[in-house]
Amino acid sequence: GQQLNQSPQSMFIQEGEDVSMNCTSSSIFNTWLWYKQEPGEGPVLLIALYKAGELTSNGRLTAQFGITRKDSFLNISASIPSDVGIYFCAGRLNDMRFGAGTRLTVKP
Amino acid sequence: KAGVTQTPRYLIKTRGQQVTLSCSPISGHRSVSWYQQTPGQGLQFLFEYFSETQRNKGNFPGRFSGRQFSNSRSEMNVSTLELGDSALYLCASSLGQGPPNQPQHFGDGTRLSIL
Repeated sequence: GQQLNQSPQSMFIQEGEDVSMNCTSSSIFNTWLWYKQEPGEGPVLLIALYKAGELTSNGRLTAQFGITRKDSFLNISASIPSDVGIYFCAGRLNDMRFGAGTRLTVKP
Repeated sequence: KAGVTQTPRYLIKTRGQQVTLSCSPISGHRSVSWYQQTPGQGLQFLFEYFSETQRNKGNFPGRFSGRQFSNSRSEMNVSTLELGDSALYLCASSLGQGPPNQPQHFGDGTRLSIL
């Protein structure tokens, strides 16, 4: 199973609200990645982080690589209906480990 | 640029049969990884291939095997299928060399159902 603790498990928010989700691990990683998966499709890469402390943005998405190398967060600002999906964190050292996902529902 | 292509998209098999899934990586990518995704266990790493060699292996039984060809295309095989093998099987490719830990890009998966 997963070795990353991702929270929250699900979120129900109103369009326009900001979203925050995070992942923690007992192991260190040298890469953190955030993916989004929609029904019937594979995960799509949103943001990749390579250095402890790194803060990277991709449009309305911002993610940070924790300085302990054991955690990462993803923020989505001003959510819109098409943000709906399951967001996965992934940490990589030798192989890749995934969180259980955060299911995001956005109400118009 | 074409993405990762997995075939077939859907497959129905019965217990005891075997199955072969195919993955064509993004052009220029030499690393291919396979994952199993189920509602209960989430995304679990199966194995990674780079330059036709298995580079990493997850904690799955020997019924699960894979290979990579010289053109970087990869196949995974599951023998003696069990009901619990029903899952979405995802393939992901990356450059595999150069800056460490290049991000992986996923295909849309093969949904395998075991009856």
